[in-house]
Amino acid sequence: DGGITQSPKYLFRKEGQNVTLSCEQNLNHDAMYWYRQDPGQGLRLIYYSQIVNDFQKGDIAEGYSVSREKKESFPLTVTSAQKNPTAFYLCATRLAGTYEQYFGPGTRLTVT
Amino acid sequence: AQTVTQSQPEMSVQEAETVTLSCTYDTSESDYYLFWYKQPPSRQMILVIRQEAYKQQNATENRFSVNFQKAAKSFSLKISDSQLGDAAMYFCAYKRVERGNTPLVFGKGTRLSVIA
Repeated sequence: DGGITQSPKYLFRKEGQNVTLSCEQNLNHDAMYWYRQDPGQGLRLIYYSQIVNDFQKGDIAEGYSVSREKKESFPLTVTSAQKNPTAFYLCATRLAGTYEQYFGPGTRLTVT
Repeated sequence: AQTVTQSQPEMSVQEAETVTLSCTYDTSESDYYLFWYKQPPSRQMILVIRQEAYKQQNATENRFSVNFQKAAKSFSLKISDSQLGDAAMYFCAYKRVERGNTPLVFGKGTRLSVIA
C-alpha cells in the first residue's frame, strides 16, 4: 500500500518530556514537511527537508528538532523547550519537479 | 512575503446547492501555483484542485471548479451540487514556482457546513 504513515494517531505525554512523532512514506517522494495545526489557525510550517541529511527551519521551529537519515523517514521531536506543544501535527511529502503536497493522517499530541 | 487570506471563517450551503469559497493572496511573483485542500472531520488533508498561474483557463475537477482572477489575486472555489460529504474545512494554498523548495503558504481555512 503506497502512502504516508504517521503513528501513533493519538499521543499523550507529561510536561517536560521529549516526544518523537513518526512520519514514514513509501511514495519515493523527495521532500518532506512537518506542519502544526491549532484550532482556528491554518497550517504552520515547522521544518522541511528536500533531500536526505538536509533540512530547513520553517516559521515555528523553536522547541522542535528533526532528522532525515533515510528518504522514507522524517521524524519530528517535540522537546521540553516547546512552550505549548499540544496540537495536531501533520506530515506531508512532495515529489521533486511537482508542486502539490500530499499529507499523512496526522498525530494529535496532548501534553499535560 | 506571500500571504493567503480566506475571509470567510464559516460558510453553509443546502444540499444540492452551489457554494463559493473565497481566497485572495498577495505576491509579487508572476509564476506560481494555487491549491484548494479539503480537511474533513477525519482531519486527513485532501488535495481538491490546483491551478497554474500561467494558465488562463480555470481548473475543474468534477463538481469543483475555480475562478482564478490573476490581476485581482483572487482564487475562489465553487462547489456545485453540494453533498453531505463536502462538509469540511477548506484551505487555500500558494506555492511559488522556482527551483528551490519553498513550502506552501496556507490560508486559515473556511469551515463549510452542508445542510440536509
